[in-house]
Amino acid sequence: DGGITQSPKYLFRKEGQNVTLSCEQNLNHDAMYWYRQDPGQGLRLIYYSQIVNDFQKGDIAEGYSVSREKKESFPLTVTSAQKNPTAFYLCASRIAGGGSYNEQFFGPGTRLTVL
Amino acid sequence: DQQVKQNSPSLSVQEGRISILNCDYTNSMFDYFLWYKKYPAEGPTFLISISSIKDKNEDGRFTVFLNKSAKHLSLHIVPSQPGDSAVYFCAAMNTGTASKLTFGTGTRLQVTL
Repeated sequence: DGGITQSPKYLFRKEGQNVTLSCEQNLNHDAMYWYRQDPGQGLRLIYYSQIVNDFQKGDIAEGYSVSREKKESFPLTVTSAQKNPTAFYLCASRIAGGGSYNEQFFGPGTRLTVL
Repeated sequence: DQQVKQNSPSLSVQEGRISILNCDYTNSMFDYFLWYKKYPAEGPTFLISISSIKDKNEDGRFTVFLNKSAKHLSLHIVPSQPGDSAVYFCAAMNTGTASKLTFGTGTRLQVTL
């Protein structure tokens, strides 16, 4: 079965600690994205990557870092510099190339809670 | 600056009736629009989309209408079913910019028996 996996589903971290959220896809998609969702708000873009070894900041990149060493993996690190890290984090992927392939497909999400 | 707006945070519709969810956008560079459905603690699932060269796209019970001059789109669900109860997000993109999606804040649809 092809899809996007995110682990873990729930994550707790102490204030001041860095934490890495996993995102893996076996859809052979080129582009990958990280969003966060807060209550009553839409999804906001953190980082995105269109190709291996390349990534760009989204609208709210401060306090986050990413890497894209493999096509199928796009881990997100929430650093201690992120002022309000408690949120629901969503990873998505898409076939690059445009045309009719504009849809992004989402993983199940990771709920991060800072204690 | 909210470029994509869903002004109704919630909507309640009776089973079998039509559900109409609305979305407005301000960025005239957006040329592709998508609707996603989301259940609590899950990732959004893609529902239907429309290109700016069209004014209507239909897929089964779901139809999206686009009014470019008004910068407005709507999602119609007919007939509504209890399983349609979820949060619906409107999203927009400029296909020339790495397909970055800009999301609205969502509308919670409740379909009652």
